Amino acid sequence: DIQMTQSPSSLSASVGDRVTITCRASQGIRNWLAWYQQKPERALKSLIYATSNLQSDVPSRFSGSGSGTDFTLTISSLQPEDFATYYCQQYQTYPPTFGGGTKVEIK
Amino acid sequence: EVQLLESGGALIQAGGSLRLSCAASGFTFNNYPMSWVRQAPGKGLEWVSYISETGHDTYYADSVKGRFTVSRDNSKNTLDLQMNSLGAEDTALYYCARDWGTGSYYFDYWGQGTLVTVSS
Repeated sequence: DIQMTQSPSSLSASVGDRVTITCRASQGIRNWLAWYQQKPERALKSLIYATSNLQSDVPSRFSGSGSGTDFTLTISSLQPEDFATYYCQQYQTYPPTFGGGTKVEIK
Repeated sequence: EVQLLESGGALIQAGGSLRLSCAASGFTFNNYPMSWVRQAPGKGLEWVSYISETGHDTYYADSVKGRFTVSRDNSKNTLDLQMNSLGAEDTALYYCARDWGTGSYYFDYWGQGTLVTVSS
């Protein structure tokens, strides 16, 4: 199975900060990478698919980039509603696998 | 609006069985594959099972193969997961998720989850 490694596992940031989360795949996945947001009330929300495509209704402050094995999720200006845990997921190779998550906390 | 509502989670003894359900609405259910994904307490996400639009094709994670069975009823817009021989390692929040397309394994909508707790 492809291993997905996220870093950092947690970070503290302030409203308005630029935040970058990294995801590394154990082998190349082309651009078949998604990002999800999970808030404490358990709901999961899809943010980005195919590395850089925003799901409808996702604010433009979210962006994704990368290819092959290294990917990033960037929040250009952190908003109060963005404090959550973020997961990457590869869907290039069966079975689909997720990163361990990055918790974004309020500084 | 796409909605997925899971139910059936419970506290159950090791070795027991449980059936989870997911009621779908807001989209043409029989046009989409579906998956189950779980999250153990304090842990990350683990894909569990996939079922094609028609229900003819099913796939399972190695950790549940032979114990779990996924099914769907396209006339009722429901997805089920029959779980047998449950162990403590199956304790998790179980989500149903809509697959974006056939064999994609990208999940564009998720339910709120239903909690399964297996006591040993």
